Amino acid sequence: GEDVEQSLFLSVREGDSSVINCTYTDSSSTYLYWYKQEPGAGLQLLTYIFSNMDMKQDQRLTVLLNKKDKHLSLRIADTQTGDSAIYFCAERRTGGFKTIFGAGTRLFVKA
Amino acid sequence: KAGVTQTPRYLIKTRGQQVTLSCSPISGHRSVSWYQQTPGQGLQFLFEYFSETQRNKGNFPGRFSGRQFSNSRSEMNVSTLELGDSALYLCASSLAPGQGRGETQYFGPGTRLLVL
Repeated sequence: GEDVEQSLFLSVREGDSSVINCTYTDSSSTYLYWYKQEPGAGLQLLTYIFSNMDMKQDQRLTVLLNKKDKHLSLRIADTQTGDSAIYFCAERRTGGFKTIFGAGTRLFVKA
Repeated sequence: KAGVTQTPRYLIKTRGQQVTLSCSPISGHRSVSWYQQTPGQGLQFLFEYFSETQRNKGNFPGRFSGRQFSNSRSEMNVSTLELGDSALYLCASSLAPGQGRGETQYFGPGTRLLVL
């Protein structure tokens, strides 16, 4: 199949780290993305990683890729209340003309 | 550089009517994709256009159609609206297919359609 799967909810305390997990399906030449959606808004690209990489870090965001298990994670360090949103994992096979999105993980950050 | 723009932002229609939504991609981007987002079904792929040609299509009825113009702007049309078509319609643009990270999609703010 071509499903991208994510857990639906995550709750963390302000200042803690958040880890959002995702499993994808295609092990070929693929880009994997994390998007953030705040209420009433479109999707904001946070970061992406190519399928031949293991890790990518960008300020508070760390993406880890386990190619063997087709598992992708997004770690947000020092989570803030402004990080409360829905986070979408997505995969795109190069030249496939389609990006497949997960159902989204709703992150709640408690003050 | 301006982002992806979508018009209108909000729309109210009644059942049986038709609607046309517009999307202007980021300057230089030549691929445009459309998605429907609802609370129940999540984010669903409608279609993707490149060089004025539909390259892929999701599992939607023929009432949903689209097109892309030579300047890469795109429109989608929904005919004979149903209550279930109420949703946020999102447009995304990317540079071009087959160019690695050039396929990264950037989203517009969406058009919220309410069908009464």
